[in-house]
Amino acid sequence: RKEVEQDPGPFNVPEGATVAFNCTYSNSASQSFFWYRQDCRKEPKLLMSVYSSGNEDGRFTAQLNRASQYISLLIRDSKLSDSATYLCVVNIGQGGKLIFGQGTELSVKP
Amino acid sequence: GAGVSQTPSNKVTEKGKYVELRCDPISGHTALYWYRQSLGQGPEFLIYFQGTGAADDSGLPNDRFFAVRPEGSVSTLKIQRTERGDSAVYLCASSFLAGRSDTQYFGPGTRLTVL
Repeated sequence: RKEVEQDPGPFNVPEGATVAFNCTYSNSASQSFFWYRQDCRKEPKLLMSVYSSGNEDGRFTAQLNRASQYISLLIRDSKLSDSATYLCVVNIGQGGKLIFGQGTELSVKP
Repeated sequence: GAGVSQTPSNKVTEKGKYVELRCDPISGHTALYWYRQSLGQGPEFLIYFQGTGAADDSGLPNDRFFAVRPEGSVSTLKIQRTERGDSAVYLCASSFLAGRSDTQYFGPGTRLTVL
């Protein structure tokens, strides 16, 4: 079983749609949680950290359920520029080692 | 300011050859990470440095892979006797500290192709 699992998609949605991505992690000792965004043939970039209380950044909302070991990302009012791969990421230890999911591909169409 | 830079951007080599991949972190960042990413997969952790020392090398797949960071800045990932399965994008990242909440900034990667 992979340590971080995501539905690879692709998710094809029209502009303005709301889309949700889910992710599960297997190690209950996981300490920190993130969503990264990766454009085609580019490097990953941090989209947002995920906190237990849930957090929002503009059109993006991230939630964490530690009991279920489940992380989600909600994107409202999708834009063409949101088209990318979204990577669910966890950090297990005290150091900076990140464990990435496979990524979920999103394609927003006009 | 300047981000993480990696050279070369592309490297094509033959099976059995030796390669070196270089990473220049963001100035002042004490932590440096190496990951590799195969097509259709997320990045896979290889090793990270805190200063000059390797703090965690648990992701190195075997003893053909080695990395150094002798002065606590630039790092080199070295792969001996390359195999076709080593073909991937090798990503370097740096962060100010090595804490679990420190943001990692990634370089553009080196695309390694082993023929």
